[in-house]
Amino acid sequence: KAGVTQTPRYLIKTRGQQVTLSCSPISGHRSVSWYQQTPGQGLQFLFEYFSETQRNKGNFPGRFSGRQFSNSRSEMNVSTLELGDSALYLCASSLPRDSTYNEQFFGPGTRLTVL
Amino acid sequence: DQQVKQNSPSLSVQEGRISILNCDYTNSMFDYFLWYKKYPAEGPTFLISISSIKDKNEDGRFTVFLNKSAKHLSLHIVPSQPGDSAVYFCAATGNYGQNFVFGPGTRLSVLP
Repeated sequence: KAGVTQTPRYLIKTRGQQVTLSCSPISGHRSVSWYQQTPGQGLQFLFEYFSETQRNKGNFPGRFSGRQFSNSRSEMNVSTLELGDSALYLCASSLPRDSTYNEQFFGPGTRLTVL
Repeated sequence: DQQVKQNSPSLSVQEGRISILNCDYTNSMFDYFLWYKKYPAEGPTFLISISSIKDKNEDGRFTVFLNKSAKHLSLHIVPSQPGDSAVYFCAATGNYGQNFVFGPGTRLSVLP
């Protein structure tokens, strides 16, 4: 079974620009979560989508948004980029919470650098 | 306020010895805990999990212990191998639909 894929793997943008990251979950997984990882901060939860609906949201400004499509693929958008948005953005998929399998499976991440 | 804490940013252990990674949590609603391992340039990989109805779970060289009264869990790796060198994240989740909360990670170095 193919794992979680994220595109692009690397991205360089300048302040003020916007960016869209893409995530394809494992086949059959309907929950997709996004995390931001910066040095020393661990994984900070951005949001979770399930059946095309945002189910949970972390403490990030409104510049960070996402969506999920009917095939469970998800996109994350960051508008008006700031230098502090430079990070590794990770996507994780999982089966619905009411199953016995609660593990999240992560993609390799997208490394975003804002200049 | 961090709900999941890993107070040791790094840990060095000799090959063949035991590695013990610790994690503390503050939210008593958490009922499921996981450990992930992360190599550079890769996403975290699930290692082992434990439900709050248990106090121990083993999988090969990896054992997770949960002390609910102390809100503490630990991951034991025995014997440690150089390939175990990575960043280890502790994560917790609670009732249906609650997101996973991750700790800041502990960098483990296993020295040959």
